[in-house]
Amino acid sequence: QVQLVESGGGVVQPGRSLRLSCAASGFTFSSYGMHWVRQPPGKGLEWVAVIWFDGSNKYYADSVKGRFTISRDNSKNTLYLQMNNLRAEDTAVYYCAREGGYCSGGNCYGDYEVDSWGQGALVTVSS
Amino acid sequence: QLVLTQSPSASASLGASVKLTCTLSSGHSSYAIAWHQQQPEKGPRYLMKVNSDGSHSKGDGIPDRFSGSSSGAERFLTISSLQSEDEADYYCQTWGTGIHVFGGGTTLTVL
Repeated sequence: QVQLVESGGGVVQPGRSLRLSCAASGFTFSSYGMHWVRQPPGKGLEWVAVIWFDGSNKYYADSVKGRFTISRDNSKNTLYLQMNNLRAEDTAVYYCAREGGYCSGGNCYGDYEVDSWGQGALVTVSS
Repeated sequence: QLVLTQSPSASASLGASVKLTCTLSSGHSSYAIAWHQQQPEKGPRYLMKVNSDGSHSKGDGIPDRFSGSSSGAERFLTISSLQSEDEADYYCQTWGTGIHVFGGGTTLTVL
């Protein structure tokens, strides 16, 4: 079954950097778009970024554009989120998530809903 | 601007049914959405995708008690035969070119 395991969370000072990783298993990682979604303490879900199955396109929420970078290594079945110039308002649980649609043999099928979630990694930005 | 609107809270009795609503912003009434459940102190769980024509496709292992439907710009999640474990936050999600959006979530209380 689909497994997504985030790592790399922790406490970091404002202005510093942190990199999250998400190890994927149970599916053909290189065929699926992947997302990062975050949830500040006591608040709702906020979409952060998406990367296409082959890494050819990346999109970001306005709140993180220019500071965060999403990337992937399909040879390692791993998704990353590089977070620079962190702010207090970036404090949240960060979830790795898979899209429902997939691409194979030059064709893409399905849609863009998130259909699988990791367990989350807590990032706390505080001095 | 692509926005999803959800009521902050809902409640229903054990064994009863409840219908949660997610409303798409003006000009986006043809968009599909997805529903996700988040039980207390847990990560989100995908429930289903609901299309504009009301058809829906559920995630693996989602009970038959959960169903989806549509009317205009509104997308619905109906939960029948409510159980205590259905007490959770429910989020809708949609997507456009280069953008994904979550609704603010509805907290469901099972009385």
